[in-house]
Amino acid sequence: DGGITQSPKYLFRKEGQNVTLSCEQNLNHDAMYWYRQDPGQGLRLIYYSQIVNDFQKGDIAEGYSVSREKKESFPLTVTSAQKNPTAFYLCASSIAPSSFYEQYFGPGTRLTVT
Amino acid sequence: DAKTTQPTSMDCAEGRAANLPCNHSTISGNEYVYWYRQIHSQGPQYIIHGLKNNETNEMASLIITEDRKSSTLILPHATLRDTAVYYCIVRLLTEDSGAGSYQLTFGKGTKLSVIP
Repeated sequence: DGGITQSPKYLFRKEGQNVTLSCEQNLNHDAMYWYRQDPGQGLRLIYYSQIVNDFQKGDIAEGYSVSREKKESFPLTVTSAQKNPTAFYLCASSIAPSSFYEQYFGPGTRLTVT
Repeated sequence: DAKTTQPTSMDCAEGRAANLPCNHSTISGNEYVYWYRQIHSQGPQYIIHGLKNNETNEMASLIITEDRKSSTLILPHATLRDTAVYYCIVRLLTEDSGAGSYQLTFGKGTKLSVIP
């Protein structure tokens, strides 16, 4: 089955530690995205990648880093510089980097930093 | 993107049609109406979108008023698995490649509870 996988579903870390969230897709989509969702709120774009080896900052990129070495994979690292890292993180992909194409979402990773 | 207004919550009996309204009175002529839903602790799921004509797919129907200031998402036979928060958003579709063109600005949505 084609789709987007994120792992793990729940992640716990101590403050000051970097943590990397996995996102893999087998849909052969060019574009991939990372969003953050806080309780009772909508989605905020962290980073997006239009094609392999390219990525751009979204609205709230500070304290996060990404890489896109393979078409299928777009890992997100939450660094110790992110002041409020506890959130629900969602990865998405679309066929091409255009708003004309629907974004398909993974199941999300809930990160708790204490 | 134009702002939308949705009821906070709705109930629907299982097997009946669920009609979810959305007001978007400031929508511009080239903005599309999109619907997503999010089941608790899962990623959002795209449902349907339209510009001015009514649309139907395997999941739902979208009815857009002639003046395009409001729309209704219809789930024809609601099941318990349709219990979710439903988000109505309006988006300007563009070939531009900036972050703003990808941003999905979800409001608070409508929490639909399907009751047995």
